[in-house]
Amino acid sequence: AAGVIQSPRHLIKEKRETATLKCYPIPRHDTVYWYQQGPGQDPQFLISFYEKMQSDKGSIPDRFSAQQFSDYHSELNMSSLELGDSALYFCASRRWTGSNEQFFGPGTRLTVL
Amino acid sequence: AQSVTQLDSQVPVFEEAPVELRCNYSSSVSVYLFWYVQYPNQGLQLLLKYLSGSTLVESINGFEAEFNKSQTSLHLRKPSVHISDTAEYFCAVSTTYNPGGKLIFGQGTELSVKP
Repeated sequence: AAGVIQSPRHLIKEKRETATLKCYPIPRHDTVYWYQQGPGQDPQFLISFYEKMQSDKGSIPDRFSAQQFSDYHSELNMSSLELGDSALYFCASRRWTGSNEQFFGPGTRLTVL
Repeated sequence: AQSVTQLDSQVPVFEEAPVELRCNYSSSVSVYLFWYVQYPNQGLQLLLKYLSGSTLVESINGFEAEFNKSQTSLHLRKPSVHISDTAEYFCAVSTTYNPGGKLIFGQGTELSVKP
């Protein structure tokens, strides 16, 4: 079965640089969530989209922005990167009318030097 | 607001022994409950979910969880663990209403199975 695809899997950036993370949801899933998991931490909700509209917002820094496109893939844009942004970034998808079971991608490991 | 507390940060256990990972939650609205497992350097995989109905939930790999409404808990159990069960386990909740559905995770329990 198709799973959530995230790219890139690993990313190394310098401080103050910009990064773009991509998420391709499972086919026919219309809702995407982004989570950030710092080292040794639990995943923290950043932002979510349903039908290309932002549906909820969590502890996402103003330096970050995200959107969902017409093909339902989503991108998380991160600017002015800081050392503290080093983390594993997960994307999850689901069908809005489903049981709220979210399917997670393998994550993008971002390292800021 | 919702919150999740996993009562044990680390659980060491010998192979073939039983294990229980504890999870309590707090919420003023109805929620769905989930257990996810994360193997080293991998993503989150759903173990099981409690939506409603029977308080006993089973997963395909031998884990089960029992929902206790009065104690607001969903403890995860396995009667006999294997080395391959070594992983981080996260309990999570989400509200039942839409929009939303974000998952709120507990701090995680590191299960370490020793031979």
